[in-house]
This record gives sequence, structure tokens and C-alpha cells, in this order.
Amino acid sequence: NAGVTQTPKFRVLKTGQSMTLLCAQDMNHEYMYWYRQDPGMGLRLIHYSVGEGTTAKGEVPDGYNVSRLKKQNFLLGLESAAPSQTSVYFCASSYTRQGAKNIQYFGAGTRLSVL
Amino acid sequence: AQRVTQPEKLLSVFKGAPVELKCNYSYSGSPELFWYVQYSRQRLQLLLRHISRESIKGFTADLNKGETSFHLKKPFAQEEDSAMYYCALEAGNTGKLIFGQGTTLQVKP
Repeated sequence: NAGVTQTPKFRVLKTGQSMTLLCAQDMNHEYMYWYRQDPGMGLRLIHYSVGEGTTAKGEVPDGYNVSRLKKQNFLLGLESAAPSQTSVYFCASSYTRQGAKNIQYFGAGTRLSVL
Repeated sequence: AQRVTQPEKLLSVFKGAPVELKCNYSYSGSPELFWYVQYSRQRLQLLLRHISRESIKGFTADLNKGETSFHLKKPFAQEEDSAMYYCALEAGNTGKLIFGQGTTLQVKP
């Protein structure tokens, strides 16, 4: 039982390049989330999904797209990377049952640098 | 507006001293609040939630609706408590969390 797995762990991009971050969970969770973590800003929600085939915008969605084609996977895409997207990205997932849906399980993070 | 504020970026105490990490929130409804912790080289994980009213690793947190606060406390800090602590508020019914800026707790020997 691996929990939440993020790939890659590190990546360096040039401005304008594109990439996809993959998040996979093996806990059969319905809800999945993408956050970015920046110094002094805490974790900010980029996009989230409440089930397969559904996605919604979070607090800072601009410049990112997501897809949830399979229940266990949640992809975060950067179409044209900018230096402002240099950050640590975290994926999380949670149950749907009442009283537990807001206990989120996190991946180890992806450190992205955009030059 | 929904917001979580952790006023201290860094809190440094000596081993055995009491610890209080502050968290204030702004929310119009009935809040659900959490503390998450990230130890060095480990994943962010849930420490405790107010609805459970439990003590985890000696930490407790009481929801004070009048002061809109959810401070995290421990009577005697241990070196292994050194970590980044985040206070979080559930927003809406989708499990979304709003996180504070985080407080680094440093426990010195």
C-alpha cells in the first residue's frame, strides 16, 4: 500500500516548456487535490477533483490544467511554464465518507524549478 | 472571506518548555479545524482535528469560537516535536482545506 505517489520528485524546466505532474493513489479515495507550497504562503489549492471525470478550480488555478480520467490518478499540467510557477507541488487525496473526507493524505511532493 | 492566519513563522523553545502555536481563522459558518504537521524529510500528515477532541503526541487544541482561534498546545516540548505545523480550515462540503502560512517549531536541547 503505497498511499499517494507523485512523479517526478524533481524537475527543472525552461520558461515556456510544458510538463505534467502525475499523482496516483491506491486507497480508492474519491477526492484528490493539487497544492503548491511557497515560503510564507503555506499550501494553496490549485485544482481539485471530487470524483473520476470531474475537476474544479481552487484558489490559484491560473496557468495550470488538470485531468482525472481514472479514479486513482490526478494529473497536473503546465502548458507554458513561468518562473512564478517555481514551487513545491503536493498532491493529496481523501475519503468521501462523512467525518473523514477532510482528512487528507499527502504525497511526498515535487520540487519544480522554472528558469 | 475564509482565511487562516498563523502569526508566527518561527517558534523556538527549549526542551521541556511549554509550546503554543497560534492559529486564528475567519469563517462565516461552523468551522472544522485541523492541525497538520510536516517533520523533516517526511510527508505532511494530520496531527489532530478539533472534532475528535483528542490528544496526539501530547498536543491538544481547543476551538474557541468567540476568539476564532484554534491554538495548538503542548505542556512540555520534546526535540522530536521540531517540524512545520499548519493550521487548516475545511471550506465547504468538498473536503477542501484552507491552510495557514505555517509555523516552524524548533525545540532546542
